[in-house]
Amino acid sequence: DAKTTQPPSMDCAEGRAANLPCNHSTISGNEYVYWYRQIHSQGPQYIIHGLKNNETNEMASLIITEDRKSSTLILPHATLRDTAVYYCIVRVANTGNQFYFGTGTSLTVIP
Amino acid sequence: DARVTQTPRHKVTEMGQEVTMRCQPILGHNTVFWYRQTMMQGLELLAYFRNRAPLDDSGMPKDRFSAEMPDATLATLKIQPSEPRDSAVYFCASGLSVSAAQGYTFGSGTRLTVV
Repeated sequence: DAKTTQPPSMDCAEGRAANLPCNHSTISGNEYVYWYRQIHSQGPQYIIHGLKNNETNEMASLIITEDRKSSTLILPHATLRDTAVYYCIVRVANTGNQFYFGTGTSLTVIP
Repeated sequence: DARVTQTPRHKVTEMGQEVTMRCQPILGHNTVFWYRQTMMQGLELLAYFRNRAPLDDSGMPKDRFSAEMPDATLATLKIQPSEPRDSAVYFCASGLSVSAAQGYTFGSGTRLTVV
């Protein structure tokens, strides 16, 4: 069961930051927030994950609110290749269990 | 970069025929998932294995679908007989259960069309 809520679609100008929100108000203390994306005709790709601290890697930053009920994925300088569907998933880590994908946010980066 | 390899990439078959899709997980990964994606249902989990043992296949229609891991380098998903409603993209993913916090790696998928 998807435990997250995301806007169905967003646009972002090329070169600007893309901020993708996700609500997960029923998140449990041991559940991580994961972000994946799926570029057209490809398999989903892992982006980033976090528990309660903000995280950053070469692809994106993840900002998690103090109450952990929502988070934001930030693509600092969006490019046309970032056009994809972005999935926010909550899941207990280190269990080897499956990811439940919701409907995600379709991000379109506009030239 | 290590990749999950799926074959074939595309398959067109007639209703009633048997279809076998193959997945080569990343070497050393002990957890393998099969997902199906359609426009209507999105990404649905069909089955997953850990250390080659099936852990959950509740998402699969049991009468026609079967999933196996004959060895650590091969996972198969079989449909017999196939039906037009099975038309979808089937994804395989693999990962290390003990390091599952890092997420899983997906293959490029098999696009199945049943006519």
